[in-house]
Amino acid sequence: KQEVTQIPAALSVPEGENLVLNCSFTDSAIYNLQWFRQDPGKGLTSLLLIQSSQREQTSGRLNASLDKSSGRSTLYIAASQPGDSATYLCAAQGGSYIPTFGRGTSLIVHP
Amino acid sequence: GAVVSQHPSRVICKSGTSVKIECRSLDFQATTMFWYRQFPKQSLMLMATSNEGSKATYEQGVEKDKFLINHASLTLSTLTVTSAHPEDSSFYICSARRSGGSYEQYFGPGTRLTVT
Repeated sequence: KQEVTQIPAALSVPEGENLVLNCSFTDSAIYNLQWFRQDPGKGLTSLLLIQSSQREQTSGRLNASLDKSSGRSTLYIAASQPGDSATYLCAAQGGSYIPTFGRGTSLIVHP
Repeated sequence: GAVVSQHPSRVICKSGTSVKIECRSLDFQATTMFWYRQFPKQSLMLMATSNEGSKATYEQGVEKDKFLINHASLTLSTLTVTSAHPEDSSFYICSARRSGGSYEQYFGPGTRLTVT
């Protein structure tokens, strides 16, 4: 059974820092890995989707990498801003095409 | 494109009553929709997979007679919480997967259910 772990569970940083959020998964036979953002009391916003054949995806200040062999993905946030404050979730989708979610990293970027 | 809506966004009901939550894919067809439950500061827990025109597949430990799922069309799935109890209070999120393509899921904004 797939298990997804996210480290750290919480992070508080000053504005402007470059951040790395980590996601690890136990079963490397994944179809894709997706990163989401969730604001308090809201649904999920998809940030980046990396197919199993890809190594990374970029969108603006966000870059996500995928290393299937080691069961890891990282989300890199450049020049963090207070508006980036949210919970970031990763989800690994395997052969059943049903994603398994991590518990998320709660990020606070203070001015 | 790929917008998923949920209705209602918030609902308060009394113990013993039933509540229906709708999940719609607004600009695409979704043969498969998913229903999740999220407790405070916890991750999403998959409750069931809903396939258009067939019975839903429930995850272990989820009571199918309590959480009724209907996926009557390619753009609509409903979750009915029957005989609700306070412990059913939670944040319910649906997602829809576009037919074909990358199997990317698109999530709705969630429904906050409070049972008093």
